[in-house]
Amino acid sequence: GAVVSQHPSRVICKSGTSVKIECRSLDFQATTMFWYRQFPKQSLMLMATSNEGSKATYEQGVEKDKFLINHASLTLSTLTVTSAHPEDSSFYICSVPGVGHYGYTFGSGTRLTVV
Amino acid sequence: KNEVEQSPQNLTAQEGEFITINCSYSVGISALHWLQQHPGGGIVSLFMLSSGKKKHGRLIATINIQEKHSSLHITASHPRDSAVYICAGTGNQFYFGTGTSLTVIP
Repeated sequence: GAVVSQHPSRVICKSGTSVKIECRSLDFQATTMFWYRQFPKQSLMLMATSNEGSKATYEQGVEKDKFLINHASLTLSTLTVTSAHPEDSSFYICSVPGVGHYGYTFGSGTRLTVV
Repeated sequence: KNEVEQSPQNLTAQEGEFITINCSYSVGISALHWLQQHPGGGIVSLFMLSSGKKKHGRLIATINIQEKHSSLHITASHPRDSAVYICAGTGNQFYFGTGTSLTVIP
């Protein structure tokens, strides 16, 4: 079946630094990838839609200069959290639509802790 | 009020019990998804429905478009079914339910 590989699975960084999260589609092309954030005990929240070869579309309230998305190839999308602060600590996860029988394939997620 | 409401929020069941999780939505959607999130955070897409009923192993999902309601059923529940189950609607945008935390006790 379709697999989306997400790295890193966990990262701890210092406040003010930047962190890059990668989602890579294995054995298939992903022209669109969704990025979500999930705070503890809350549900998923869509942050942005990444489109290969064009600018990402950000949801209302998500700072595009803080959460940089790059989708430079058909198999790789990256989310960079710039100048991270403790309030950015969260679980970040990507998904690719329309793959397989179940509609979406998710990455394994990245737990970011900013100290 | 959330566009997608799930009930119950928390559910504890004995192994072998039949489980039902409900999802009601108040917005127009093109598809209804059931997701399973394991304690480590990983998410698996269980079903995508636009009408009727789907079955996969011990899992059954139904949707009633007119009533804007979907249910996820688990037959012969097992401790490995313990997870958070999330209902989500897709249309012009994503609408996520707040999840149902299921614990199945041996």
